[in-house]
Amino acid sequence: GAGVSQSPSNKVTEKGKDVELRCDPISGHTALYWYRQSLGQGLEFLIYFQGNSAPDKSGLPSDRFSAERTGGSVSTLTIQRTQQEDSAVYLCASSLGLAGRQETQYFGPGTRLLVL
Amino acid sequence: AQSVTQPDIHITVSEGASLELRCNYSYGATPYLFWYVQSPGQGLQLLLKYFSGDTLVQGIKGFEAEFKRSQSSFNLRKPSVHWSDAAEYFCAVGTNTGNQFYFGTGTSLTVIP
Repeated sequence: GAGVSQSPSNKVTEKGKDVELRCDPISGHTALYWYRQSLGQGLEFLIYFQGNSAPDKSGLPSDRFSAERTGGSVSTLTIQRTQQEDSAVYLCASSLGLAGRQETQYFGPGTRLLVL
Repeated sequence: AQSVTQPDIHITVSEGASLELRCNYSYGATPYLFWYVQSPGQGLQLLLKYFSGDTLVQGIKGFEAEFKRSQSSFNLRKPSVHWSDAAEYFCAVGTNTGNQFYFGTGTSLTVIP
């Protein structure tokens, strides 16, 4: 079956503009995760959803970042007033249940964001 | 706090040689441990995982990893490396009390002919 898909694959934007990144999880997966991978860094956890609910938003770097999930499926990560330090690869993952309960996360190919 | 350390930023091995990538974790209870591989331009692919039971775990592509509780380690091994194994490798830990994954900073593997 289809894996996790993300769009766009690449995004170049100007500083101060807003961007939306989309994630389509594997069908039937209830948990969805967003991560950020900066050059030379590991994966930084941003937020996760269980269904449409995001119980833990502590990983979002600032109030310019927000995310939503509708219908227990597609999720959108929005970055407002982008800054150059937001440049990174944004990865989405989904799992059948929550990762802390022995579920494996399946990752999408990522969206490479460049803020000029 | 939970954390994962991958001490080696970059490793170079010859094709056909053996490989060991180190991973140490910090977590008070029994962790759920994972190794992922990321090839250039690709998403992360799960190599193997440990939840419980046998501490030697077999994965895809000929990889294996051993959970050593006394050393808080989960090192990844492969007896004979292939050129296609060149990639970035990430160790991760999941917890049974939270819903987050904690990833190491990754080890970049170069394979020379």
